[in-house]
Amino acid sequence: QITLKESGPTLVKPTQTLTLTCTFSGFSFSTGGVGVGWIRQPPGKALEWLALVYWDDDKRYSPSLKRRLTITKDTSKNQVVLTMTNMDPVDTATYYCAHLGSMPFDYWGHGTLVTVSS
Amino acid sequence: QSVLTQPPSVSAAPGQKVTISCSGSSSNIGNNFVSWHQQLPGTAPKVLIYENDKRPSGIPDRFSGSKSGTSATLGIAGLQTGDEADYYCGTWDSSLSVWVFGGGTKLTVL
Repeated sequence: QITLKESGPTLVKPTQTLTLTCTFSGFSFSTGGVGVGWIRQPPGKALEWLALVYWDDDKRYSPSLKRRLTITKDTSKNQVVLTMTNMDPVDTATYYCAHLGSMPFDYWGHGTLVTVSS
Repeated sequence: QSVLTQPPSVSAAPGQKVTISCSGSSSNIGNNFVSWHQQLPGTAPKVLIYENDKRPSGIPDRFSGSKSGTSATLGIAGLQTGDEADYYCGTWDSSLSVWVFGGGTKLTVL
């Protein structure tokens, strides 16, 4: 059974760096083709794909946010970490991590709401 | 502004069928598989359709997907009030080398 869970701060100040951790179980980065992505959703708005890391450490980023994002994986801990620099109130959103395998984003975490406010 | 265009909202009566369109380009839908996700209020999205027309285990056959050229369509037959949700199409964009979601469509079952 695949599960994912996001963790991190619920409140960050403008200009600060956000660090979110996705801890998962039920799959491994040792399996070819596996990936974990981050997707966010501002309140009342659409899903926005942010970043993705594959089993072979191939990494992809949203072009509009690429300069602010870093995604890393820790295979031994079954974790994926997303950092986003220079946070702004417009970055207030629920942040999800999701598994990518034989289907795109077939398992999701519950999401974590991050509010950016001074 | 998403590279995939969906209607903001659709509505239909219980028992009816509704279709939701997703329009893209040759760099995304035209040359890649399309998936559809359903997001019920207050929950994480769930995959309904992948590889254009395949349903994961447990997804009823009331949900169907199709693709033609640079557009894709999600069909939902025998509408139920429990189908009220936001629906998102998604695909890989080969020119950007990124995943893209549509802007989402809110389904109302009248």
